[in-house]
Amino acid sequence: DVKVTQSSRYLVKRTGEKVFLECVQDMDHENMFWYRQDPGLGLRLIYFSYDVKMKEKGDIPEGYSVSREKKERFSLILESASTNQTSMYLCASSQGLAGVPTGELFFGEGSRLTVL
Amino acid sequence: GESVGLHLPTLSVQEGDNSIINCAYSNSASDYFIWYKQESGKGPQFIIDIRSNMDKRQGQRVTVLLNKTVKHLSLQIAATQPGDSAVYFCADLDNDYKLSFGAGTTVTVRA
Repeated sequence: DVKVTQSSRYLVKRTGEKVFLECVQDMDHENMFWYRQDPGLGLRLIYFSYDVKMKEKGDIPEGYSVSREKKERFSLILESASTNQTSMYLCASSQGLAGVPTGELFFGEGSRLTVL
Repeated sequence: GESVGLHLPTLSVQEGDNSIINCAYSNSASDYFIWYKQESGKGPQFIIDIRSNMDKRQGQRVTVLLNKTVKHLSLQIAATQPGDSAVYFCADLDNDYKLSFGAGTTVTVRA
């Protein structure tokens, strides 16, 4: 079974803390994505990566950064967490040549972050 | 910004009936659309996709219809079952090959 694994299902952090969300996929996919999901807003793309060391801004990158040092791992970093970053964070991966992903994303189960 | 949107945030369906979930899109250049299903506590899961050179595509108990004239997309689920209770998202692939998701429709199946 293909799998996208997010390291933490639930996190509680304080305002100003640095937060790392880790994601690992075992499908050898080129493309990886970070979305946040909020009620009534659907899924919004934060950052994505088409290859190791590559990263592209999504629709809402402010307050976030990412790291992709290995093909299977894509990390989302909140340099200084704020309360408006309380959300569900979803990692996904997809196959495809760099720059031309397919529409079939494989998602992890999500990491629910609460910032106090 | 959002290029796809759903018409209704919730849908209640009697078990055994057919479900229809609607979605509108704004970008005339969109040529690839996807439906996802998200069950409680899980990440979204791919259901079916359709390209703009098609009007209809069928899967197992699901059919997606695309009306390019009015920029409308729908997902039909035949003989709805309790396991179909979930949030359904439509999405389109934009010119930068990024998926944009709608807000989602929560489908509740009544026994």
